[in-house]
Amino acid sequence: EVQLVESGGGLVKPGGSLRLSCAASGFTFSSSTMNWVRQAPGKGLEWVSSISSSSSYIYYADSVKGRFTISRDNAKNSLYLQMNSLRAEDTAVYYCARGTGSGWEIDYWGQGTLVTVSS
Amino acid sequence: DIQMTQSPSSLSASVGDRVTITCRASQGISNYLAWFQQKPGKAPKSLIYAASSLQSGVPSKFSGSGSGTDFTLTISSLQPEDFATYYCQQYNSYPPTFGQGTRLEI
Repeated sequence: EVQLVESGGGLVKPGGSLRLSCAASGFTFSSSTMNWVRQAPGKGLEWVSSISSSSSYIYYADSVKGRFTISRDNAKNSLYLQMNSLRAEDTAVYYCARGTGSGWEIDYWGQGTLVTVSS
Repeated sequence: DIQMTQSPSSLSASVGDRVTITCRASQGISNYLAWFQQKPGKAPKSLIYAASSLQSGVPSKFSGSGSGTDFTLTISSLQPEDFATYYCQQYNSYPPTFGQGTRLEI
């Protein structure tokens, strides 16, 4: 059974940093593209970033480019999102999601972790 | 960026009804389209990929169609557990983008 478990969310002040983690199990993590998708309170889904299986291809949404860094550790079956220079508009539930096919085709989602940016 | 527009934004239906949700892309995306279901307070669930292929374990009451710019999600014989918000997503090109969602209410 595919499982994706996010952690690391919390309350942070504007300008602060936070690192999210996603622990994967039930599939060959090292062969899968992974994505982060977020959802602001009461809003729709927004793709944030993706990383290919070997970390060769990394993409970001314009809204987070230069502030967020995606990475992975295939030995630990883990995905990360380092978030710096956080803004109020980054407040959202962040989902870890497995990509298939092109990589941006999502088939499994984690339960999400809430990030709140507020003073 | 490719804009994905869903209609309607909200929809009221009854148990047993059949409903159709439409998703339109601002430019052609072939069949690189997925549909997701999300219930309040829960993570999205993948329903359909490649416009019309059902994800493993998804009941056949869900069906998708379309290609190019116009797509539909049809849900037959609505049950209480089907009332949720539905999103389409294009993954044809960077950045992948989602529709604004369609809230299906009883």
